[in-house]
Amino acid sequence: KAGVTQTPRYLIKTRGQQVTLSCSPISGHRSVSWYQQTPGQGLQFLFEYFSETQRNKGNFPGRFSGRQFSNSRSEMNVSTLELGDSALYLCASSSRTGEANYGYTFGSGTRLTVV
Amino acid sequence: DQQVKQNSPSLSVQEGRISILNCDYTNSMFDYFLWYKKYPAEGPTFLISISSIKDKNEDGRFTVFLNKSAKHLSLHIVPSQPGDSAVYFCAAMFMNDMRFGAGTRLTVKP
Repeated sequence: KAGVTQTPRYLIKTRGQQVTLSCSPISGHRSVSWYQQTPGQGLQFLFEYFSETQRNKGNFPGRFSGRQFSNSRSEMNVSTLELGDSALYLCASSSRTGEANYGYTFGSGTRLTVV
Repeated sequence: DQQVKQNSPSLSVQEGRISILNCDYTNSMFDYFLWYKKYPAEGPTFLISISSIKDKNEDGRFTVFLNKSAKHLSLHIVPSQPGDSAVYFCAAMFMNDMRFGAGTRLTVKP
């Protein structure tokens, strides 16, 4: 089955701009989570969506937002970009079933560079 | 809030020896724990997991140990192989929430 698809793979933006990242989950997966990976900080949880509803949110400022569509695809938006937002943004989709990893499968990520 | 901590940013072992990666957590509500492996420019891939009702889970060369009283888990890789060189993340889950540690870079030398 097709994996989790994140687009674009790479993105360069300037400070103050806004950006939208996209994540298409594995077919049948209704849960999508977003993470930010920076050196030394590991994977920081941004938010999780399930059936178009945000169920959980990490400790990020309101400039970070997301949404999920009826087909489970999810977008993440960052407004007023700052240099510190440069990171690898990963999304993971999950079936939330009894698989050993709850079906959590990650995409390859979007590498965002803010200049 | 670092609810999941991996205090060793890096670990280097010789091929054939044991690799032990450690992870500590602070939230006693976590009830499921996972280890992921990550190569550069790729997303993390699932390795092994353990439920809080168990203290050990084994899958081939990989064994995860959980010490709930100490809020500590570890991943043992025996024998270590050069292909195991990657960044390893531990993760802890409670309900809809999965939190990760900062990762440990494992280098297995031939």
